[in-house]
Amino acid sequence: DAGITQSPRHKVTETGTPVTLRCHQTENHRYMYWYRQDPGHGLRLIHYSYGVKDTDKGEVSDGYSVSRSKTEDFLLTLESATSSQTSVYFCAISELAYEQYFGPGTRLTVT
Amino acid sequence: KQEVTQIPAALSVPEGENLVLNCSFTDSAIYNLQWFRQDPGKGLTSLLLIQSSQREQTSGRLNASLDKSSGRSTLYIAASQPGDSATYLCAVNGYQAGTALIFGKGTTLSVSS
Repeated sequence: DAGITQSPRHKVTETGTPVTLRCHQTENHRYMYWYRQDPGHGLRLIHYSYGVKDTDKGEVSDGYSVSRSKTEDFLLTLESATSSQTSVYFCAISELAYEQYFGPGTRLTVT
Repeated sequence: KQEVTQIPAALSVPEGENLVLNCSFTDSAIYNLQWFRQDPGKGLTSLLLIQSSQREQTSGRLNASLDKSSGRSTLYIAASQPGDSATYLCAVNGYQAGTALIFGKGTTLSVSS
């Protein structure tokens, strides 16, 4: 298995609080991605990174920000969590045009 | 905008049957196509990756084909087993968003013994 970990694995938080999810890789892959998975919508891209300090928006980026200060870490922040952000969040890594590997996911519940 | 569709949404078969899962995509300009398996409450496991220049890939009882010009891929599972029960996701990797994957909504397979 590719060396990808996500933390926390489960989190319950209240509406309006900030939340940060962490993705850590040991593969030294250039590209890192955050997706969310929701019933009826499948997996959708939130943000991605193509190098240290290089990030860009995906399909569903509103309400989220990201940072990548080191090759191995990619952080996803919900500045002020809302109930619509209750979801399962997956991190993925790849090299350009090659296979993507996914982390185990973080289940986030916003009450 | 690339869209990926998987048919059927759910499939139930008896053990031992050969089966085909279908995936279609609207834009043929892709780097590659990837098939994943997802067990309930778990992450995604990559099954097969087909590069745009390839027609098929095989791994054990799995065979995936790609017809880029018609925007179609199939995942063939031979001699299905109860352990194959899972959701199978198809995703295409195109020339957009850092080559992020665009996913179908999956086919949920149930194999009964």
